[in-house]
Amino acid sequence: GENVEQHPSTLSVQEGDSAVIKCTYSDSASNYFPWYKQELGKRPQLIIDIRSNVGEKKDQRIAVTLNKTAKHFSLHITETQPEDSAVYFCAARFSGGYQKVTFGTGTKLQVIP
Amino acid sequence: DSGVTQTPKHLITATGQRVTLRCSPRSGDLSVYWYQQSLDQGLQFLIQYYNGEERAKGNILERFSAQQFPDLHSELNLSSLELGDSALYFCASSVRRGGTDTQYFGPGTRLTVL
Repeated sequence: GENVEQHPSTLSVQEGDSAVIKCTYSDSASNYFPWYKQELGKRPQLIIDIRSNVGEKKDQRIAVTLNKTAKHFSLHITETQPEDSAVYFCAARFSGGYQKVTFGTGTKLQVIP
Repeated sequence: DSGVTQTPKHLITATGQRVTLRCSPRSGDLSVYWYQQSLDQGLQFLIQYYNGEERAKGNILERFSAQQFPDLHSELNLSSLELGDSALYFCASSVRRGGTDTQYFGPGTRLTVL
């Protein structure tokens, strides 16, 4: 079945450093990869997404890269700030059935001031 | 505020009981998705509806059922509740049925089964 693996499960960085979260997916035909940020007790919110016809996308301090050959994609956060502390989920849209989105298991990011 | 509303915000009930969670999608969105998030866990996809019809099923238990009404709001029914059903239940909506649409999440319903 569809599978999305996400690493690491927890990540601590010093304020100002970069953070990288990696995900791999199982279906080579997957074509949409969103990233969500979830603060404690709140709803997941989309922060960036990428489609399979693009290799990289940036939005200020956040970037996502996609390697279709290796079937992995990564979230990069530069110049981290304490407000970046949250759980981040990657997801992949699989091509079968009604193309539901499957989420990774999440990465708890802690930015230390 | 994503525009997706969920009620109630909190629900406390006992094992064996039945509850109904409600979700109203963003104006114009035809798809509704339901997710379960247990403590410190990821988002488990339960079920998706598009314009009133079931479109995809995930890890939804037989004790759980859902429907989407003509006005596009959706309800998730949980019956014969067990302690392990305690979780945050999110619904999300998107414009079309395809997974490439951005899913906007509601604030969630926190269910506690005692």
